[in-house]
Amino acid sequence: DAKTTQPPSMDCAEGRAANLPCNHSTISGNEYVYWYRQIHSQGPQYIIHGLKNNETNEMASLIITEDRKSSTLILPHATLRDTAVYYCIVRTLSYNAGNMLTFGGGTRLMVKP
Amino acid sequence: ETGVTQTPRHLVMGMTNKKSLKCEQHLGHNAMYWYKQSAKKPLELMFVYNFKEQTENNSVPSRFSPECPNSSHLFLHLHTLQPEDSALYLCASSQEIRGGNEQFFGPGTRLTVL
Repeated sequence: DAKTTQPPSMDCAEGRAANLPCNHSTISGNEYVYWYRQIHSQGPQYIIHGLKNNETNEMASLIITEDRKSSTLILPHATLRDTAVYYCIVRTLSYNAGNMLTFGGGTRLMVKP
Repeated sequence: ETGVTQTPRHLVMGMTNKKSLKCEQHLGHNAMYWYKQSAKKPLELMFVYNFKEQTENNSVPSRFSPECPNSSHLFLHLHTLQPEDSALYLCASSQEIRGGNEQFFGPGTRLTVL
C-alpha cells in the first residue's frame, strides 16, 4: 500500500472549517484513500473514504486532487469534540486478504475555543 | 457505541500471569482484527481473522495467541508477557465484501505488564 504524509499537528478555531491535508504521491490506480480519527483513549473511528471523486457525508468532506497524489479532509464547522488524531490511509482493497489498515502518525488536530 | 465491545477495559498483570482479552461484535461482521497501540507509536496490526480463519499474523511473538471461536467473538490469550507489551489493545471488525469496507473499533483494553 502507498505511504502517506501528514503534518504532525494543526490548530483550528471552534466553528471554523478544519482542512487536513494528506500527501500520497505514490498512490496507484486501485488504491482508495481512507480517513479515520482517534479521540484520546478511544478506538479509531471511520470518517470517510474515496477513490477519485470528492465525497461528502454527515461527518466530513473528502477532496481528492485530479492526479490523486494528495487529498484534504474538511470538517466544515469544527467543534471541541473534533479534537483528535486524524489518520489518512491509502490501501488496496482485497477480498481475500482482509481489510488491513496501516496507520501512520496522523495529524493531531486541536480545536480551540 | 460502535457495536464492538472489549473486556476488560483495564488490565494489570505480572510477567508470569496468564490472561485473556475478549472482543465481541454485534454487527454481523465476518472479519475481526487485533491491533496494538504503544505509547508514541502508530497502531500496529497484529492478527486478522476472515470468516473465522486466521489470514494474517503480523510477526507477532508467540506469547500472544489469538482465538476466534465464531464470527462474533475474538480472544487474545496472553502469557509470559514483557513490560514492553504494555499498550492499548484494540479490536476491530468489518464486513468483508468485494471492495472492502470500513472497520469498526472497540474502546480497547489498556494493558500494563509489571
